[in-house]
Amino acid sequence: DAGVIQSPRHEVTEMGQEVTLRCKPISGHNSLFWYRQTMMRGLELLIYFNNNVPIDDSGMPEDRFSAKMPNASFSTLKIQPSEPRDSAVYFCASRPKTGWVNEKLFFGSGTQLSVL
Amino acid sequence: RKEVEQDPGPFNVPEGATVAFNCTYSNSASQSFFWYRQDCRKEPKLLMSVYSSGNEDGRFTAQLNRASQYISLLIRDSKLSDSATYLCAVTNDYKLSFGAGTTVTVRA
Repeated sequence: DAGVIQSPRHEVTEMGQEVTLRCKPISGHNSLFWYRQTMMRGLELLIYFNNNVPIDDSGMPEDRFSAKMPNASFSTLKIQPSEPRDSAVYFCASRPKTGWVNEKLFFGSGTQLSVL
Repeated sequence: RKEVEQDPGPFNVPEGATVAFNCTYSNSASQSFFWYRQDCRKEPKLLMSVYSSGNEDGRFTAQLNRASQYISLLIRDSKLSDSATYLCAVTNDYKLSFGAGTTVTVRA
């Protein structure tokens, strides 16, 4: 199993530019989560998809952030325009069963985003 | 108030020592509890689930206290390889909320 795959691994961009982060969940998993991690705020849940449908996006910080999941094997997180305070590690995670709260999350390796 | 709070540490301990730390959660209806381990610049990985009766996995022991709303992790006979950040996580419905992590450094 290849695990959760995220790309790019590192992204450096200038303020105002559009940034797109990508995630391929583990095949067969039907829950997908985007988290952001910073030293100040720790791991924060941004958005949760179930069966490709956004269920909870209350953690998305602003309208500059948007996420999509066009099919079961692909999701994107877009920031437009990006700002220096968006600099963080963005993790994607998937889970195999809906509503089975004891199922663990499988995390991707993360995308280190630096906005200059 | 944060959903999950942890003492950030760091806990600096010699090899072979025992180290223990707690995590508190705010929602009394939380259903599931976990400890994740995160190495520097890596993704979190599940260390162990925490069950109501407490559970062990080798040198690691996890406890849950629902009345006081905290979970604990104890590491016995610490190894250098145990150096990491330990994140507690709590589930409310589908949402898994994490603490900011407790850093443990084991020295030779």
